[in-house]
Amino acid sequence: ETGVTQTPRHLVMGMTNKKSLKCEQHLGHNAMYWYKQSAKKPLELMFVYSLEERVENNSVPSRFSPECPNSSHLFLHLHTLQPEDSALYLCASSQSGTVANPLHFGNGTRLTVT
Amino acid sequence: AQSVTQLGSHVSVSEGALVLLRCNYSSSVPPYLFWYVQYPNQGLQLLLKYTSAATLVKGINGFEAEFKKSETSFHLTKPSAHMSDAAEYFCAVTYNYGQNFVFGPGTRLSVLP
Repeated sequence: ETGVTQTPRHLVMGMTNKKSLKCEQHLGHNAMYWYKQSAKKPLELMFVYSLEERVENNSVPSRFSPECPNSSHLFLHLHTLQPEDSALYLCASSQSGTVANPLHFGNGTRLTVT
Repeated sequence: AQSVTQLGSHVSVSEGALVLLRCNYSSSVPPYLFWYVQYPNQGLQLLLKYTSAATLVKGINGFEAEFKKSETSFHLTKPSAHMSDAAEYFCAVTYNYGQNFVFGPGTRLSVLP
């Protein structure tokens, strides 16, 4: 499999549930990202991991907890979410270095919080 | 702060007509610029990128963009629209080593038969 793969594609969860989103990249990149895409709002950067260390946490509520066990895998653990957290969650990867290489995105997880 | 503006949240063109999607950025240092396309229920796909080489950049699907420093613009064009071009288009900018990408709000392109 190539590129960036996200699972599940769709997720419906209640406000008291705990769930996790998974992202896997097969591009050999050294940086991974979580973005949130809500209707009628610009893409919001949530977290950045470079060489498996978190380098950016964009004031994200603690009910979102990222995990990056290695350079190919990224998780987003969710607990006690709010309805306004319903959105498309996009994972991306890039090769971070001396030039600005583009982000490569997965197809996202459509999250609905009921 | 870095920012990207895209004039027009929705643009409609007829099939075969010129496509022009606008992007302006704010920057005090040389930027790296990207255009992405998003089809329904999919992630963002890279169309093209500017990384300080040629100012006219050619991308996939017949799209191209021109970097104009004096206008701080990076507009996306395609000479002849096709129905399959209907999608959301995002302009993005980054600086230094490219970990902090800032995206514009997007422009939805509709192509009319």
